[in-house]
Amino acid sequence: KNEVEQSPQNLTAQEGEFITINCSYSVGISALHWLQQHPGGGIVSLFMLSSGKKKHGRLIATINIQEKHSSLHITASHPRDSAVYICAGGRDTGNQFYFGTGTSLTVIP
Amino acid sequence: DVKVTQSSRYLVKRTGEKVFLECVQDMDHENMFWYRQDPGLGLRLIYFSYDVKMKEKGDIPEGYSVSREKKERFSLILESASTNQTSMYLCASRFRRFSQPQHFGDGTRLSIL
Repeated sequence: KNEVEQSPQNLTAQEGEFITINCSYSVGISALHWLQQHPGGGIVSLFMLSSGKKKHGRLIATINIQEKHSSLHITASHPRDSAVYICAGGRDTGNQFYFGTGTSLTVIP
Repeated sequence: DVKVTQSSRYLVKRTGEKVFLECVQDMDHENMFWYRQDPGLGLRLIYFSYDVKMKEKGDIPEGYSVSREKKERFSLILESASTNQTSMYLCASRFRRFSQPQHFGDGTRLSIL
């Protein structure tokens, strides 16, 4: 069992829909990261959360430390949001990150 | 902006060859990482380095070695390439404080024939 589980694995949405991607983790972590990977490979860090909620444009990330759960929301989705979204957690001790296997999002015009 | 540069986007090599993947970062980051990414398995850590000439094994170090002679450069070496090392390889770096995010390169898609 992975330390970090994401759902769904694949998601197709119509342009304009509200999208939620979920991430649950079984290990104690100090911060949780949401990453975006576009076709072609490069990975960009979207958010780093240790508590509460963060917002950047149409993207919102929340984390519930007690429930060991985080969500990434995309409002008014657009085809350019099509990408793989990855959550990753890590601890203050050690250098290792625990990665989810990613959610592949396709937004159809 | 942080720049993590991987030497090749695509690379094709033959079984048994010694393969070098290079990664350079320009932000004076202490920590550097090599991952491979395979469908359904996500990102898996091969090796990381927390200082010059320092390295630690990750989850899947077998068949790989690394070199960090300068702070800005972290090399991944496939000693004798095999077909099961065909994968996407991603380099990342960050400051030592854990609360800092990782910055990734664009990846190298390596095919071993």
